[in-house]
Amino acid sequence: DTGVSQDPRHKITKRGQNVTFRCDPISEHNRLYWYRQTLGQGPEFLTYFQNEAQLEKSRLLSDRFSAERPKGSFSTLEIQRTEQGDSAMYLCASSSLTDGTQYFGPGTRLLVL
Amino acid sequence: QKEVEQDPGPLSVPEGAIVSLNCTYSNSAFQYFMWYRQYSRKGPELLMYTYSSGNKEDGRFTAQVDKSSKYISLFIRDSQPSDSATYLCAMINSGGSNYKLTFGKGTLLTVNP
Repeated sequence: DTGVSQDPRHKITKRGQNVTFRCDPISEHNRLYWYRQTLGQGPEFLTYFQNEAQLEKSRLLSDRFSAERPKGSFSTLEIQRTEQGDSAMYLCASSSLTDGTQYFGPGTRLLVL
Repeated sequence: QKEVEQDPGPLSVPEGAIVSLNCTYSNSAFQYFMWYRQYSRKGPELLMYTYSSGNKEDGRFTAQVDKSSKYISLFIRDSQPSDSATYLCAMINSGGSNYKLTFGKGTLLTVNP
């Protein structure tokens, strides 16, 4: 078990472009979370999956954001028509059904120019 | 008022000092309390996890929860330069349908050799 992994670790894009991030949770973890962290702030909840079902989305997740977790394994987070305000660290976490402890990945740092 | 308040610091102490980190919260439904450590440009790493009021000790770290005052603390004894990081408090609302974490801003700690 190598923990939660995220890819890419860094992404620089131009405003208006689409980007997609991937998260591979700890194997057999049913729950998967996405958070966003801006400089000097704690992570803020974006969305949550239990297996393949997306059960909750934050108001922070505008229509330009979409997340999927096909087959209840890895997850992707896509941002369409990126804006400079989307620049942040995007963190993925996973947990099991029996233990709510969330384990975080290293994050994907996005910079929108 | 944010649900979780945490003094962002920065906090600078000499090696060997006792460090006290604190958070206050406003939502009385929070039942699970965590402390995460985050090194620069890395994902948060779980340090301590406590349920409801009381103390929990793990090596040089002690977590305290006072639900009557809506106040939680993390104490680090014999602090080391390797403890230099941002410390984030986080909480879970037990009445919610998911386990999303609500974080404080984080306190930046530097331990000077």
